[in-house]
Amino acid sequence: DQQVKQNSPSLSVQEGRISILNCDYTNSMFDYFLWYKKYPAEGPTFLISISSIKDKNEDGRFTVFLNKSAKHLSLHIVPSQPGDSAVYFCAASKQTGANNLFFGTGTRLTVIP
Amino acid sequence: SQTIHQWPATLVQPVGSPLSLECTVEGTSNPNLYWYRQAAGRGLQLLFYSVGIGQISSEVPQNLSASRPQDRQFILSSKKLLLSDSGFYLCAWRKPGQRRGNTIYFGEGSWLTVV
Repeated sequence: DQQVKQNSPSLSVQEGRISILNCDYTNSMFDYFLWYKKYPAEGPTFLISISSIKDKNEDGRFTVFLNKSAKHLSLHIVPSQPGDSAVYFCAASKQTGANNLFFGTGTRLTVIP
Repeated sequence: SQTIHQWPATLVQPVGSPLSLECTVEGTSNPNLYWYRQAAGRGLQLLFYSVGIGQISSEVPQNLSASRPQDRQFILSSKKLLLSDSGFYLCAWRKPGQRRGNTIYFGEGSWLTVV
């Protein structure tokens, strides 16, 4: 049962435009959300996170928005750059437990120069 | 600063042969350690996790096993590989006892091809 879903397996965006990656979750106990970026044949790297007490967190070109009522979060990348081309994983965690992190299936972003 | 390293980066093994992937973490004590597998269409699947030496929890039944002989060492093994064991394996660590801020940090990954 996939508790974190990324319904778009791929996304293509022109360089300089905004990239919006979406993520939905089903478990209302999730209270911390993360985005990871992954290049081929490399481990994912942590990108940005947000706590459920916030609805927005910004870090440079990356902004994550959280809509708790809709159980939806999104990652905005502005402006998009060719180096942003990668697979992006959304993850959600509950408060306690060592195995409390759940990943989505990933969205492959391609930024076209 | 903390670092995580896993090896080998790539390996090709025949069906029925054994497997050993090793992972070590530096710069932290008593980390939570994880083995994930990236599977097509399923994202990052948690295979095993460990909260301490000798403590292993398995998330999915499979042909693999894990061990933690030392505090910062995590090993993924198999006695006899199957074709379906092919994939990209990721070791990861997290600070112990975290509640909020559950950031997991990944190693470089290991490509396993079973032929």
